[in-house]
Amino acid sequence: GQNIDQPTEMTATEGAIVQINCTYQTSGFNGLFWYQQHAGEAPTFLSYNVLDGLEEKGRFSSFLSRSKGYSYLLLKELQMKDSASYLCAVLDSNYQLIWGAGTKLIIKP
Amino acid sequence: NAGVTQTPKFRVLKTGQSMTLLCAQDMNHEYMYWYRQDPGMGLRLIHYSVGEGTTAKGEVPDGYNVSRLKKQNFLLGLESAAPSQTSVYFCASTLTSGSPDEQFFGPGTRLTVL
Repeated sequence: GQNIDQPTEMTATEGAIVQINCTYQTSGFNGLFWYQQHAGEAPTFLSYNVLDGLEEKGRFSSFLSRSKGYSYLLLKELQMKDSASYLCAVLDSNYQLIWGAGTKLIIKP
Repeated sequence: NAGVTQTPKFRVLKTGQSMTLLCAQDMNHEYMYWYRQDPGMGLRLIHYSVGEGTTAKGEVPDGYNVSRLKKQNFLLGLESAAPSQTSVYFCASTLTSGSPDEQFFGPGTRLTVL
């Protein structure tokens, strides 16, 4: 079966750095996405990785290791508005997105 | 440019009632999707469409039907609602199914079935 694992919840302090991990086992791989979802709102796109390595976009970076079936999202200089759920999703061999359950990130002052 | 819109935003149904959720996008996207999101679970694909006049089943299609008569619209129907269909429903669209096209989501419909 297809499986994506992420921690259920994480807590971090404003101004700090946090790393959210995602491991996956899917039938095929055509890329990995990270989305942000604030409570009561729709998911919005953050990043996309298809090759191994680090992609940086402002305060957010995403890393991928295809051989390990592993990705992480790194958030720097945390702000209160970063409190949200972060969803990891893998595009499988049928070009369907398989979604993790999401990691709820709580930012404390 | 409204992006992806969904109507209604909220709905309460009684068991056995029917309803239709409407999704509309103005980005000329080919692919459209209906997901449900339940607490503690990832988004689960109900049905999807790869173009006008086509539909296909996703991971959890039972109890739902869809139609895509116009490219910009994707309708999700519940013929006889059940409490297990209480959920938040999201519509999404993308230009193609391939990477790296991101999916754009509507604001969601919160459905409660009593």
